[in-house]
Amino acid sequence: SQQGEEDPQALSIQEGENATMNCSYKTSINNLQWYRQNSGRGLVHLILIRSNEREKHSGRLRVTLDTSKKSSSLLITASRAADTASYFCATNDYKLSFGAGTTVTVRA
Amino acid sequence: DAGVTQSPTHLIKTRGQQVTLRCSPKSGHDTVSWYQQALGQGPQFIFQYYEEEERQRGNFPDRFSGHQFPNYSSELNVNALLLGDSALYLCASSPGISGRGGTDTQYFGPGTRLTVL
Repeated sequence: SQQGEEDPQALSIQEGENATMNCSYKTSINNLQWYRQNSGRGLVHLILIRSNEREKHSGRLRVTLDTSKKSSSLLITASRAADTASYFCATNDYKLSFGAGTTVTVRA
Repeated sequence: DAGVTQSPTHLIKTRGQQVTLRCSPKSGHDTVSWYQQALGQGPQFIFQYYEEEERQRGNFPDRFSGHQFPNYSSELNVNALLLGDSALYLCASSPGISGRGGTDTQYFGPGTRLTVL
């Protein structure tokens, strides 16, 4: 079973706009991670946020975590065509449990 | 510094056959995890190997088995292939096991696309 669920399933934005996607999970976590996958290839780790953190930044990425609501969000600012990919949240309990992902398309 | 490598890239098999997929972890990593990703879905955890032993296992039948070698590389074997086994198989490596002094971030290979006809 999948622990995380991303919303929306798909997102289409114009280059330069911001993209926001959300993740909800079911059980308590040690940390939550976001990964990117281009065209059905390997996943690339983007950012990890621990259960005692509320917000984290990495370049154009901003992740928030609300453990009381069991939810997280990923914001990509000033999107580029290269950001076109599928984005997955994953909770960590000695293994990664992924959601079904959000497919982001950035239009030039 | 080579990342995680997997072979082969693509594979076509018929129902009932057996398949072996291979993975070499990132340099310095001793833990290997395998995931199955069906089309349009997120990766599903199959199992994890550390110190040549299976440490964690997901909800997969015994037809899925694995092995880790002394050089930390790993194999995933699937017997009696079913049409539903068609998927992208991802290998991920990490230094140590999460919660036992290891890190939580995993580094993924490019995957092996298995098609069962």
